[in-house]
Amino acid sequence: KAGVTQTPRYLIKTRGQQVTLSCSPISGHRSVSWYQQTPGQGLQFLFEYFSETQRNKGNFPGRFSGRQFSNSRSEMNVSTLELGDSALYLCASSPSDRDGPEAFFGQGTRLTVV
Amino acid sequence: DAKTTQPPSMDCAEGRAANLPCNHSTISGNEYVYWYRQIHSQGPQYIIHGLKNNETNEMASLIITEDRKSSTLILPHATLRDTAVYYCIVRVAVSYDKVIFGPGTSLSVIP
Repeated sequence: KAGVTQTPRYLIKTRGQQVTLSCSPISGHRSVSWYQQTPGQGLQFLFEYFSETQRNKGNFPGRFSGRQFSNSRSEMNVSTLELGDSALYLCASSPSDRDGPEAFFGQGTRLTVV
Repeated sequence: DAKTTQPPSMDCAEGRAANLPCNHSTISGNEYVYWYRQIHSQGPQYIIHGLKNNETNEMASLIITEDRKSSTLILPHATLRDTAVYYCIVRVAVSYDKVIFGPGTSLSVIP
C-alpha cells in the first residue's frame, strides 16, 4: 500500500509569490491534515479536511488556505509569500473519524522563500 | 498548546532499552496517549497509542500509569536507527482533533 505522497519535495520561491503544495493520502483515507515545521516553532497544525470540508483550523493567517478534492487529495496554497514561510510542510492522512486513528505523515515539502 | 511535558534530550547505549517519559497530568478521560517519532528531515512516524492499558507492538511498548498522568515509551533494544525526536501527544480519538506537537525528546542512541 503506497504511503502519503507529497509533491514537490523541494521548492524555492521569491517573496510575494504564491505556492501550491499537493498531498495524496493513503488509499481509503478520507482525512488530511497539514502542518508547518520550522526550527523555531516546531510542528504547528495548519488545518484538517474530511470529505472536502475543512473541519479544524490552526492559528495561521488567511494567506494559508487549503482544499480537498472528491478523491481525498488535498492542496494547500500560500499567497504573498514571506521569508518566514520557509519551512517543511507536512501532510498527514487518517483512515476515518472513528476511534483512535493514527495519522500517517508524508515526507514533506521543503519550501524556501528568498 | 501542547498538553505534555517531555525531557528535551536523552542518550541511550545501543542494544539497551530506551525509556522515554512523558507527563500529561491534565489528560481527560476520553484522551488517548500517542507517540510519534521524527527522524531528521523526514515526516513523523506513528509508533503506538493507548488509552489506559499498557500496549505493545512490533516497534515499542507503552506503559501508562494507573492515574494516566504519565506514560513511558519503551524501545526494548535501541539501535542507531532509533536516533530521532520522539513526540508524546494526547488527543481525543477522532481524526478532526488537531494533533498538537510539543518540542519532544531528542533521543541519541550511542554505539
